[in-house]
Amino acid sequence: DVKVTQSSRYLVKRTGEKVFLECVQDMDHENMFWYRQDPGLGLRLIYFSYDVKMKEKGDIPEGYSVSREKKERFSLILESASTNQTSMYLCASSPPATESLTYGYTFGSGTRLTVV
Amino acid sequence: DQQVKQNSPSLSVQEGRISILNCDYTNSMFDYFLWYKKYPAEGPTFLISISSIKDKNEDGRFTVFLNKSAKHLSLHIVPSQPGDSAVYFCAARRRNNFNKFYFGSGTKLNVKP
Repeated sequence: DVKVTQSSRYLVKRTGEKVFLECVQDMDHENMFWYRQDPGLGLRLIYFSYDVKMKEKGDIPEGYSVSREKKERFSLILESASTNQTSMYLCASSPPATESLTYGYTFGSGTRLTVV
Repeated sequence: DQQVKQNSPSLSVQEGRISILNCDYTNSMFDYFLWYKKYPAEGPTFLISISSIKDKNEDGRFTVFLNKSAKHLSLHIVPSQPGDSAVYFCAARRRNNFNKFYFGSGTKLNVKP
């Protein structure tokens, strides 16, 4: 069974802390994505990566950075956590565009981050 | 500005009846559309897709319709079952854009027994 695994289901962090969210996929997918889900706003793309060490900004990259040192792992970093970053964070992966037309992304179960 | 919109935050339907979830988009460069289903505390799971060269795709109880002239797609679930109760997201991909999808805000479907 193919999987995208997010290291934590729930996290509580203090304002100003540096926060690391980890995501690992076992499908040998080239593309990996970080989204946040907020009520009424749906899923918004923070960053994505289409290859090792490659990254692209999504729609809301401010306050975040990412790291992709290995193909299977994509990390989201909150440089200095703030209360408006309290959200559900979802990691996803997919093969290259030409291969993924039938099913899109595979998502992880999400990390509920609360910043206090 | 959201390029994919789901204007109904919630929908309630009786078991056995049809559920119709709607989605509108603004970008004519979108070439592929998907619907995802999400249960609480789980990640979204793929449900059904449609290419922009088609106007209908059917998979069991689920059918997606695409009206390109209106920039509108809909998901029909017939018959609806209580296990279909979830949040449904539509998503659209812009041609030649690293397989990046734009998501709507979701519609919470409640199927009453």
